[in-house]
Amino acid sequence: DAGVIQSPRHEVTEMGQEVTLRCKPISGHNSLFWYRQTMMRGLELLIYFNNNVPIDDSGMPEDRFSAKMPNASFSTLKIQPSEPRDSAVYFCATRAGELFFGEGSRLTVL
Amino acid sequence: RKEVEQDPGPFNVPEGATVAFNCTYSNSASQSFFWYRQDCRKEPKLLMSVYSSGNEDGRFTAQLNRASQYISLLIRDSKLSDSATYLCVVEGLSGNTPLVFGKGTRLSVIA
Repeated sequence: DAGVIQSPRHEVTEMGQEVTLRCKPISGHNSLFWYRQTMMRGLELLIYFNNNVPIDDSGMPEDRFSAKMPNASFSTLKIQPSEPRDSAVYFCATRAGELFFGEGSRLTVL
Repeated sequence: RKEVEQDPGPFNVPEGATVAFNCTYSNSASQSFFWYRQDCRKEPKLLMSVYSSGNEDGRFTAQLNRASQYISLLIRDSKLSDSATYLCVVEGLSGNTPLVFGKGTRLSVIA
């Protein structure tokens, strides 16, 4: 089993640029979660999907953030325009009892 | 009050020592509890679930106190490889609902 696959692993971009983070969940896991981790705030839930439907996006910081799950095998998290305070590690995770995380996407916005 | 609170540490202990972490949670309706481990620059991984009766997995013991709304993790005979950040995790309802993470407690085991 390949586990949760995220890309890119690292991204460095300039303020104002669009950032797209991608996630391929574990096949058969019906729930998908996007978390953001920083030293100051720890792991914060941004949004989660059940059966491809967004259930709770109250953790999305502001309108610059959007997430989609067009099918059971793919999800994206987009930031447009990006700002330096968005710098963090973004994790995608799926759940079957236990929560399985991808390796994360480390974003640096200059 | 934050939903899940932990002492950030770091806890610096010698090999072989016993170390304990506590965690408090604010939602009295919380149903499920876990400890996750996160190594430096890696993703979090499940260490163990926490059951009402307490549970043990080798050198690791987890306890739950619902009345006081806290969870503990005890590590006996600590190893260098136990050095990591330990995240306390709480779930409000059972099923595929979000888990709420504490910020973690950092442990360094020193030779």
